Amino acid sequence: KAGVTQTPRYLIKTRGQQVTLSCSPISGHRSVSWYQQTPGQGLQFLFEYFSETQRNKGNFPGRFSGRQFSNSRSEMNVSTLELGDSALYLCASALGGLWYFGPGTRLTVT
Amino acid sequence: AQTVTQSQPEMSVQEAETVTLSCTYDTSENNYYLFWYKQPPSRQMILVIRQEAYKQQNATENRFSVNFQKAAKSFSLKISDSQLGDTAMYFCAFTHFGNEKLTFGTGTRLTIIP
Repeated sequence: KAGVTQTPRYLIKTRGQQVTLSCSPISGHRSVSWYQQTPGQGLQFLFEYFSETQRNKGNFPGRFSGRQFSNSRSEMNVSTLELGDSALYLCASALGGLWYFGPGTRLTVT
Repeated sequence: AQTVTQSQPEMSVQEAETVTLSCTYDTSENNYYLFWYKQPPSRQMILVIRQEAYKQQNATENRFSVNFQKAAKSFSLKISDSQLGDTAMYFCAFTHFGNEKLTFGTGTRLTIIP
């Protein structure tokens, strides 16, 4: 089976812009979750979707949002980008208590 | 609140030696999963091993094994016959059964010295 894929892999944006990141889970996995990884804060949970419903959300401002489509693919959106949003954004798909991660999207905000 | 603590920010070991990474966690629940993930310089997060809390037997995956001490809330990873490709950040992670999110420790940077 193909693994979790994320696009784009690298992104450079300017402060104030918005960005959309995409994640395709492993075939058959309906749970998709997102994590932000920074040197200062480590790995932090953003949100999780299952069958197009957000089941859990981390402690992030409303500028961070997401959605899941009927084919389980997920997108996350960050509006009004701030310098502190520069991070590696990891997507994971889960089934049976196992989480598999994608390669991540490296977002740089200038 | 669930917390995961990795007290060793960095470790290094000679190739072919054995190394043990430490992790402790805090929870009031009884049913949960524990994981070790490896993140090499490529940044891809790779699942190394999973332990189910209800299982007394320690999980093993080839050269990787865990020492799960439920009462002490300790979950260490042992890497035997270490290889250069084992050089990476290692994260301990935790989740309750039925939960949808992983809680990660701060990681241990492991360097295998040729």
